[in-house]
Amino acid sequence: GENVGLHLPTLSVQEGDNSIINCAYSNSASDYFIWYKQESGKGPQFIIDIRSNMDKRQGQRVTVLLNKTVKHLSLQIAATQPGDSAVYFCAMGGSQGNLIFGKGTKLSVKP
Amino acid sequence: NAGVTQTPKFRVLKTGQSMTLLCAQDMNHEYMYWYRQDPGMGLRLIHYSVGEGTTAKGEVPDGYNVSRLKKQNFLLGLESAAPSQTSVYFCASSYPWGYEQYFGPGTRLTVT
Repeated sequence: GENVGLHLPTLSVQEGDNSIINCAYSNSASDYFIWYKQESGKGPQFIIDIRSNMDKRQGQRVTVLLNKTVKHLSLQIAATQPGDSAVYFCAMGGSQGNLIFGKGTKLSVKP
Repeated sequence: NAGVTQTPKFRVLKTGQSMTLLCAQDMNHEYMYWYRQDPGMGLRLIHYSVGEGTTAKGEVPDGYNVSRLKKQNFLLGLESAAPSQTSVYFCASSYPWGYEQYFGPGTRLTVT
């Protein structure tokens, strides 16, 4: 079936370091991938997305990498700040046109 | 713009009671969604709607009903609440498939 797996449920980094959060997916037909950030007590917030015809996309301090060969998606956050502490979800487009979410990685930033 | 709003923010129900969660969006989005979020489970799609007057089942639809009488509103109903429905419920809206979904702040529901 369609699913999105997670490599690590938690990640702790030092302030100023780069963070890398990984996801693996099962459906090679999916053409859309997206990362969300969820702060405590709030709804998920869009960070960045990428379509399957791209390998890399950059935003402000964030980069998403897509490796279709091994069905792997990653989110890189440069110069991680305390405000980046949150749960990060990857999601992919499903066959019904919906989004299928991973279980999330909790990022903690140490000052 | 308010974006996506949800009412209520918190609710406690007893087993067997019914309630309706209201979602409203002011972005003129065609598509709307209801998710539930449980610890360690990520977000799971309950029902969704691709336009006014339409609804469809998602991954976990049992025990829930929905209605989309107006484009800007999407209602989620629980006819007979069960403890297994204790969760945080999120509404989202978007333009057609493949586009970013905008989420509301969530409703925390506890069924005792």
